[in-house]
Amino acid sequence: SAVISQKPSRDICQRGTSLTIQCQVDSQVTMMFWYRQQPGQSLTLIATANQGSEATYESGFVIDKFPISRPNLTFSTLTVSNMSPEDSSIYLCSVVGGDLGYTFGSGTRLTVV
Amino acid sequence: SQQGEEDPQALSIQEGENATMNCSYKTSINNLQWYRQNSGRGLVHLILIRSNEREKHSGRLRVTLDTSKKSSSLLITASRAADTASYFCAPGYSSASKIIFGSGTRLSIRP
Repeated sequence: SAVISQKPSRDICQRGTSLTIQCQVDSQVTMMFWYRQQPGQSLTLIATANQGSEATYESGFVIDKFPISRPNLTFSTLTVSNMSPEDSSIYLCSVVGGDLGYTFGSGTRLTVV
Repeated sequence: SQQGEEDPQALSIQEGENATMNCSYKTSINNLQWYRQNSGRGLVHLILIRSNEREKHSGRLRVTLDTSKKSSSLLITASRAADTASYFCAPGYSSASKIIFGSGTRLSIRP
């Protein structure tokens, strides 16, 4: 199955600033998925990122707040823009792993102060 | 809704006992997957069962699938402290569809 390197693992940011999270995959994948996990909650899908096209956002998430880049088949970034304390969450990327299910990055624990 | 719903929401058992978690879903699936998440960490894929399979084993894990009832169960035998985690089921509607997660089952193993 694919191996994902997600960075940073954690960060503490000031409100009003932006943070860019990176996911590097060790193989080419068509789709990458970005999730948010708020404290004590389950994972919520933010968007699906396909290479060469704009990301598809789920209801409640907008491109201005969570811009995504997908420059090639092994890399994607998610930016959390104009952050507020409500954005404090764990953010995870994921890729399809075929019969082995989906592979998840180790997550980015974001705290906004 | 595309997500699975796990039941119970929380489960506490003695070490060595078996743990059973259930999952229900709404529409026909291609496959169903189970994931584990240890506290605050990334998810780990446990097992995938296809719609034409009824049962699957992996080590101490046993998964069943009843497509007529749109339900699945995950059995963990001889539980260990390391099994303490949240468990999620994920209905798959194609081989590469997005996963929508339910609330999960929080499993606690008492020593």
